[in-house]
Amino acid sequence: SQQGEEDPQALSIQEGENATMNCSYKTSINNLQWYRQNSGRGLVHLILIRSNEREKHSGRLRVTLDTSKKSSSLLITASRAADTASYFCATGSASGGSYIPTFGRGTSLIVHP
Amino acid sequence: ETGVTQTPRHLVMGMTNKKSLKCEQHLGHNAMYWYKQSAKKPLELMFVYSLEERVENNSVPSRFSPECPNSSHLFLHLHTLQPEDSALYLCASSQDRGLEKLFFGSGTQLSVL
Repeated sequence: SQQGEEDPQALSIQEGENATMNCSYKTSINNLQWYRQNSGRGLVHLILIRSNEREKHSGRLRVTLDTSKKSSSLLITASRAADTASYFCATGSASGGSYIPTFGRGTSLIVHP
Repeated sequence: ETGVTQTPRHLVMGMTNKKSLKCEQHLGHNAMYWYKQSAKKPLELMFVYSLEERVENNSVPSRFSPECPNSSHLFLHLHTLQPEDSALYLCASSQDRGLEKLFFGSGTQLSVL
């Protein structure tokens, strides 16, 4: 299975602090994506990093990818209470012309005001 | 608003009922997905349709029956469900034949009594 596994399962921090979440996977990938989910809602795409990229930024988000270790990290800098949500990584590769992304259990982030 | 609309948002049904979940996307995508999200479990891929053809059926019980009449609409027909089928059912779409991000609907929270 190419399922990504996020770590830690839960993270609680104060507003203004940085939050780091990790994702590990088992087989080679074409890309890795991070998503955010507010409670009881759908997932929202945050950032996609391709297998030939090592780092990517988007606003307060920084994603790294280490294909040799089969791992990725998501860093949220200067966190805000509104960042409280679950964060998921999705891995997958193209197979038979289709891309099937597989998700992990997610990291539940709570940012205290 | 992600461009993917799911109805209903909430559904309570008995084990002998028949109901359907509906998903509609206005993004011009060619691939549509059904995921199941249960508490403390990874997001489970159920079905994938690409150009209205089912390309993935992830060992889902026959009491779940998908239908994709065109590239904009996806249904999940439910029949004689079990209490353990209670979960958040998420629909998503993406561009086919590309390693693109998924756009999710807000989900249907299903309770089976």
